Amino acid sequence: QSALTQPRSVSGSPGQSVTISCTGTSTDIGAYKFVSWYQQHPGKAPKLIIYDVNKRPSGVPDRFSGSRSGNTASLTISGLQTDDEADYYCCSFSGRFTSYVFGTATKVTVL
Amino acid sequence: EVQLVESGGELVQPGGSLRLSCAASGFIFSSYWMTWVRQAPGKGLEWVANIKPDGSDKHYVDSVKGRFTISRDNAKNSLFLQMNSLRVEDTAMFYCATHKDWSFDHWGQGTLVSVSP
Repeated sequence: QSALTQPRSVSGSPGQSVTISCTGTSTDIGAYKFVSWYQQHPGKAPKLIIYDVNKRPSGVPDRFSGSRSGNTASLTISGLQTDDEADYYCCSFSGRFTSYVFGTATKVTVL
Repeated sequence: EVQLVESGGELVQPGGSLRLSCAASGFIFSSYWMTWVRQAPGKGLEWVANIKPDGSDKHYVDSVKGRFTISRDNAKNSLFLQMNSLRVEDTAMFYCATHKDWSFDHWGQGTLVSVSP
């Protein structure tokens, strides 16, 4: 049950787009369309922003989008805003262990 | 409005036990899978355990199997995590969350568990 691999940090200027990758294996991301993404501001609980690879919960702006190719999932934030500065985690169902595995976290910095 | 309120976290010695609770309101608790997720200080999120709506199916991360037990009381809209044989590495903020299919859409504010001699 190793954590999914994410870049430690990404950055961009307001209005730009950034993409965060999340690499797993053929028993988690590669096997199921059950990838979700969470935004966490310091001292706060995580917030669901993408589920089932590319679906957005009600209230999440369409600046956030998700995709998957093979064993890698991606989160793209378009039109970067200062409030997007936070930690982001991917998560996937893992059929091998009937469990869930989170990514290693990516800190998004808005320059 | 969905509300999840965790409680029960405190300072405990290694080898000790704690029971965490999560009080749910604002939704039909008995219809949802529920999950516990933890986050060690300054570290990432780790899924811990989940439980089926009727309590008949439970799953755990390997590191807590045999030590932690997830349970629920649908009559009281409550989720629990019994933690035994606690280790220093179990120190973390523990969050309860509702399942939305295979994701976690509502989270509590967390309760802090500290395991230290």
